[in-house]
Amino acid sequence: SAVISQKPSRDICQRGTSLTIQCQVDSQVTMMFWYRQQPGQSLTLIATANQGSEATYESGFVIDKFPISRPNLTFSTLTVSNMSPEDSSIYLCSAGDRGNTGELFFGEGSRLTVL
Amino acid sequence: SQQGEEDPQALSIQEGENATMNCSYKTSINNLQWYRQNSGRGLVHLILIRSNEREKHSGRLRVTLDTSKKSSSLLITASRAADTASYFCATGAAGNKLTFGGGTRVLVKP
Repeated sequence: SAVISQKPSRDICQRGTSLTIQCQVDSQVTMMFWYRQQPGQSLTLIATANQGSEATYESGFVIDKFPISRPNLTFSTLTVSNMSPEDSSIYLCSAGDRGNTGELFFGEGSRLTVL
Repeated sequence: SQQGEEDPQALSIQEGENATMNCSYKTSINNLQWYRQNSGRGLVHLILIRSNEREKHSGRLRVTLDTSKKSSSLLITASRAADTASYFCATGAAGNKLTFGGGTRVLVKP
């Protein structure tokens, strides 16, 4: 199993600003992902965070809006850039090991409110 | 995009009753997983069933998978107030990437 810590847990942001969310895993993992969960909705995959290279983005998400870093096997950041009220969501970091059961472990999420 | 559709969207039951929720998906899968999310929290993995399995049990949980119908069900037996949460199915493909269904909100009344 893996324990995932995210920060900030919540924040209130002004329109037009950017915020970086940090994700720390307590063990080395192969795969790290970032999901968005809009209020009352399910989870949508934003991107796969690749160690030492550019993230792989899903349709509808672009690097300029959601730059992601993953400098090592246990840490990743997601930046939400030039925020608008539509970016108000919970952002969840998850991690798992390729070739393992396929189970993912999740952080508690970062709840962003954009005014 | 969401792979799975879940029904019902919401379910209200009395403590001690069973809760059943269903998940349908569209494409081929390696496995199907169920997760629980308590209000304002992250997701917790409940159970995984592989594409070559038809039924799996874990404590009070029973999961079935019918790949011919591209559907799965989660049964929670003898529900407790602490089972109040949202439940999501997720389909697994290559690379551990999961695609989540819309979720079922379960309320267990004491």
